[in-house]
Amino acid sequence: EAGVTQFPSHSVIEKGQTVTLRCDPISGHDNLYWYRRVMGKEIKFLLHFVKESKQDESGMPNNRFLAERTGGTYSTLKVQPAELEDSGVYFCASSRGWTTGEKLFFGSGTQLSVL
Amino acid sequence: AQTVTQSQPEMSVQEAETVTLSCTYDTSENNYYLFWYKQPPSRQMILVIRQEAYKQQNATENRFSVNFQKAAKSFSLKISDSQLGDTAMYFCATTGAGSYQLTFGKGTKLSVIP
Repeated sequence: EAGVTQFPSHSVIEKGQTVTLRCDPISGHDNLYWYRRVMGKEIKFLLHFVKESKQDESGMPNNRFLAERTGGTYSTLKVQPAELEDSGVYFCASSRGWTTGEKLFFGSGTQLSVL
Repeated sequence: AQTVTQSQPEMSVQEAETVTLSCTYDTSENNYYLFWYKQPPSRQMILVIRQEAYKQQNATENRFSVNFQKAAKSFSLKISDSQLGDTAMYFCATTGAGSYQLTFGKGTKLSVIP
């Protein structure tokens, strides 16, 4: 089966611009997660979708970040306007269920550089 | 709140040798899971091994095994017979009971030298 797909793999934008990241989960996975790794720091949870609904967005840093999952399929994460501190690697993951200990399937990540 | 500490930012090992990556954690949960994820260069992060805190027996997956010391809150990963394909970033992570959010460490970059 196809894995979790993210694109673009890299994005370089200037401060103040808008960027949209996309994630295609594994088919049949109702649960979709976004995580972010800022350079030199831990990977941090951003939010969790169950189908098209936001189950938990407690990790979203501020209102410049908007995540959507139309139709419960792919998801987008928009950053508008981008700031320098938004640079990092954005990971998407999916899973069939969302119990403790659930195995997550990750994408390769999108490397975002804000100049 | 949970924390995960990986004290070795970078490590290297000769091919066919054994290497151990360290991980310590802190949690107030009674039941939790511990994970090691691996991310090869420019590739997807994949689950290497998973351990439920209630299980005393250390988890093993082929050449990968863990040394789980619950009282010491330590969860090290041992890779036996290291292969070039083991070159990757390794992340230790935990999640608490009733929670699906993973708390990660900063990662250890492992290089396997031919």
